[in-house]
Amino acid sequence: DGGITQSPKYLFRKEGQNVTLSCEQNLNHDAMYWYRQDPGQGLRLIYYSQIVNDFQKGDIAEGYSVSREKKESFPLTVTSAQKNPTAFYLCASTEVANEKLFFGSGTQLSVL
Amino acid sequence: ELKVEQNPLFLSMQEGKNYTIYCNYSTTSDRLYWYRQDPGKSLESLFVLLSNGAVKQEGRLMASLDTKARLSTLHITAAVHDLSATYFCAVDLIGGATNKLIFGTGTLLAVQP
Repeated sequence: DGGITQSPKYLFRKEGQNVTLSCEQNLNHDAMYWYRQDPGQGLRLIYYSQIVNDFQKGDIAEGYSVSREKKESFPLTVTSAQKNPTAFYLCASTEVANEKLFFGSGTQLSVL
Repeated sequence: ELKVEQNPLFLSMQEGKNYTIYCNYSTTSDRLYWYRQDPGKSLESLFVLLSNGAVKQEGRLMASLDTKARLSTLHITAAVHDLSATYFCAVDLIGGATNKLIFGTGTLLAVQP
């Protein structure tokens, strides 16, 4: 079945540590996105990529980094510069603009 | 800066009743999306509204878009418990080549038996 796979489902970060969240899609979608969701709030865009080897900052990119070396993969690294990383992270993809985003199942990141 | 506001933020309703969730946005856009999220789960796409006057219906849910008023509504007819979830609207920045969505804060819907 086609879809978006995020891993791990739960992730714990120690202070000063970088962690990487995985996002893989087999939908052959060109565009991929990373959103952050805090409790009781909507989603905020971190980074997005419309094509391989290219990506743009969203509204809250500070403390995060991404890469897009393959069409199907868009990993997100939460760096030590992100002082408040605890949140639910959602990856999404879409084939073309004007169409709905398909979301992965999410990764809950917490700080130890 | 585009802002998206939903109201109410929390809605408790009885089964069988009707209600409407409102989504207002602050700048021009003709692309609006509605999503559903169950607790601890991902987002499920409900509707994509792409033009002024667009109306879409699926089961007990009906969504509409008025781009002149910068308003979308999600109407719930004869609510059932299975509709309990958080509902988000999201607006796309006009002219963008991709889906750069700005989400509302969500409406938590609790349908009581």
